[in-house]
Amino acid sequence: NAGVTQTPKFQVLKTGQSMTLQCAQDMNHEYMSWYRQDPGMGLRLIHYSVGAGITDQGEVPNGYNVSRSTTEDFPLRLLSAAPSQTSVYFCASSSERTSIYNSPLHFGNGTRLTVT
Amino acid sequence: KQEVTQIPAALSVPEGENLVLNCSFTDSAIYNLQWFRQDPGKGLTSLLLIQSSQREQTSGRLNASLDKSSGRSTLYIAASQPGDSATYLCARSGGSNYKLTFGKGTLLTVNP
Repeated sequence: NAGVTQTPKFQVLKTGQSMTLQCAQDMNHEYMSWYRQDPGMGLRLIHYSVGAGITDQGEVPNGYNVSRSTTEDFPLRLLSAAPSQTSVYFCASSSERTSIYNSPLHFGNGTRLTVT
Repeated sequence: KQEVTQIPAALSVPEGENLVLNCSFTDSAIYNLQWFRQDPGKGLTSLLLIQSSQREQTSGRLNASLDKSSGRSTLYIAASQPGDSATYLCARSGGSNYKLTFGKGTLLTVNP
């Protein structure tokens, strides 16, 4: 079972470059989300989606864009990378559209991004 | 602001010991409380989910309890093993924006 797949695993960018972090899930989950994990800060929600065509902002959305054209994919775009975006990024999904209140989150293995 | 605190930040125990990890949260209007495990360089794996109407959940050697009135959850690990070494995170959900608020985790080391 693939679960939640994130690519790439590692990425180094220069300041000002753009890139897309990929996330795909094969569990037909409605809810998908992006988190960043920083030392001393814990996990913080960037953007989330409750279904194809529906996205919303989380706690730290600035500098990131998302779209959800299919149930399976939820890419995260960095428009102009900054050193402050150096972090580990996790994609997570859950089976219920109406809430993440009753179903556990399934996480990918993360993308480690360094911006120089 | 909703906050989740985990104490201690790190814990080292000998193999075979029973142990308790603590999680406290502000705002008792939660929908559920989840416990996760994170191995180095990996994503989070869901261990237990306690809905707000429940008091505890059990899975194998793990037991998680929830006390909304005091804003506390505990994860009990029985007969710890070196393979239990990992970072354990708790997260509360609540509000209308599908957001989980995570604690910073407890790094557990079980020594053989």
